[in-house]
Amino acid sequence: DVKVTQSSRYLVKRTGEKVFLECVQDMDHENMFWYRQDPGLGLRLIYFSYDVKMKEKGDIPEGYSVSREKKERFSLILESASTNQTSMYLCASSVDRYSYEQYFGPGTRLTVT
Amino acid sequence: AQKITQTQPGMFVQEKEAVTLDCTYDTSDPSYGLFWYKQPSSGEMIFLIYQGSYDQQNATEGRYSLNFQKARKSANLVISASQLGDSAMYFCAMRPNTGGFKTIFGAGTRLFVKA
Repeated sequence: DVKVTQSSRYLVKRTGEKVFLECVQDMDHENMFWYRQDPGLGLRLIYFSYDVKMKEKGDIPEGYSVSREKKERFSLILESASTNQTSMYLCASSVDRYSYEQYFGPGTRLTVT
Repeated sequence: AQKITQTQPGMFVQEKEAVTLDCTYDTSDPSYGLFWYKQPSSGEMIFLIYQGSYDQQNATEGRYSLNFQKARKSANLVISASQLGDSAMYFCAMRPNTGGFKTIFGAGTRLFVKA
């Protein structure tokens, strides 16, 4: 089974802190994604990556950056956390850019105070 | 602009009955895929079913079927013989086969199955 793990289930940070959310997949997938999930808005794509060191902006990249130094790991970085970034963050991976099925991690619920 | 609309924020269904979750979409891409995910209270998204825009037959996966009506741009999920474990959030999603291959999700429908 594909396993996507995220470094934390719950995280509380202060406004202005730099926050790292880590995601690791164990099935050699080419694609990795970061979404945020908010009530009434569904999932919105922040960034995605087709390959190591490759990244592309999603629909809401402002205030975020990403890093993919190794194929299995995709990090989401909040350079200076703000309260409007309080949300559920979901990481996902897929075999390649043509695959429909995405495999999701359990999510990180981030609270910025 | 591409968009997924799920108009039912919440729905109730009696155990063992069938339920339909609505989904409409908007896209100008000629080729695309439509699918549904389930999110139980544990939070992890589970892929349920996929329908290609050129597929002639509606997709089925066990108790799940996708009622695809291309002219109406709808892709409703039908769950037959509901079980208590079906209580969850359900998301409709679409991904075009061109451009950036980005997946777009709807706002979701929370399904409650009553015993």
